[in-house]
Amino acid sequence: DSGVTQTPKHLITATGQRVTLRCSPRSGDLSVYWYQQSLDQGLQFLIQYYNGEERAKGNILERFSAQQFPDLHSELNLSSLELGDSALYFCASSVDPDPQETQYFGPGTRLLVL
Amino acid sequence: AQSVSQHNHHVILSEAASLELGCNYSYGGTVNLFWYVQYPGQHLQLLLKYFSGDPLVKGIKGFEAEFIKSKFSFNLRKPSVQWSDTAEYFCAVNVYNQGGKLIFGQGTELSVKP
Repeated sequence: DSGVTQTPKHLITATGQRVTLRCSPRSGDLSVYWYQQSLDQGLQFLIQYYNGEERAKGNILERFSAQQFPDLHSELNLSSLELGDSALYFCASSVDPDPQETQYFGPGTRLLVL
Repeated sequence: AQSVSQHNHHVILSEAASLELGCNYSYGGTVNLFWYVQYPGQHLQLLLKYFSGDPLVKGIKGFEAEFIKSKFSFNLRKPSVQWSDTAEYFCAVNVYNQGGKLIFGQGTELSVKP
C-alpha cells in the first residue's frame, strides 16, 4: 500500500458523459500527479499540482481538467467522454515538486466508456 | 519529442537466470532516471532512481541499473531472478526544467518460470 488512495476503483459510463476521479495523496505529500495508461499510448503524464497550484502540464485534452483542493486531495474531471478515453488513470504524490522526489502511485481508477 | 524506449516487450526467464532490461531515452540534456515495477494486482512502485554521481545505482530487491550517458541508456539488471520478480517493469525519464513530469517507456513484462 503506497498510501495514495483513488476512488472509484472502476467506472463504467457512456460516451458524452462526464466523470470525476478522486485522489487523496499520502499524508504530508503536497504534490499530486495524474497519469493515463492505455494500451496504445502507454503511461502518459497528464498534469501536476503542488499545494493547489498547477505545476506542470502534459498532453492533457481540453475536455479534461483537474484541481487540487486546500486539503490537498485532487480531482480529475473528464467530460464529453469518448470511447478512446477508456483507460487506467493513476494518481501519484510526492513530498514536494522536486522532480528527484519519489512519486508514490495509487492503485488507479479503471474507466470504461461504452 | 522526448521519448523512452524499452526494447523488450515480454521476457520469459527461468528462476536463477540473469536479467537485463534495456531502456533508452531521446534527450540530450540533464535527466533524472527511474525504474518502476508493477507486480500483478498492485500499484506502481519505485525500484531505483539515478540523478547524478556513480552511474551504477542499486535499488530494492537486488536490482541495479547502469546509466551510460554516451548511449542514452539506463538498463536494469539483476544477477539471479526469482519467481516473485514476475511483474511489469517501466523505465521513466524526467527532463530537467519540466517539473515532475515522468516520461514512461512502454513497459516490459517479465515472466519468471519456477
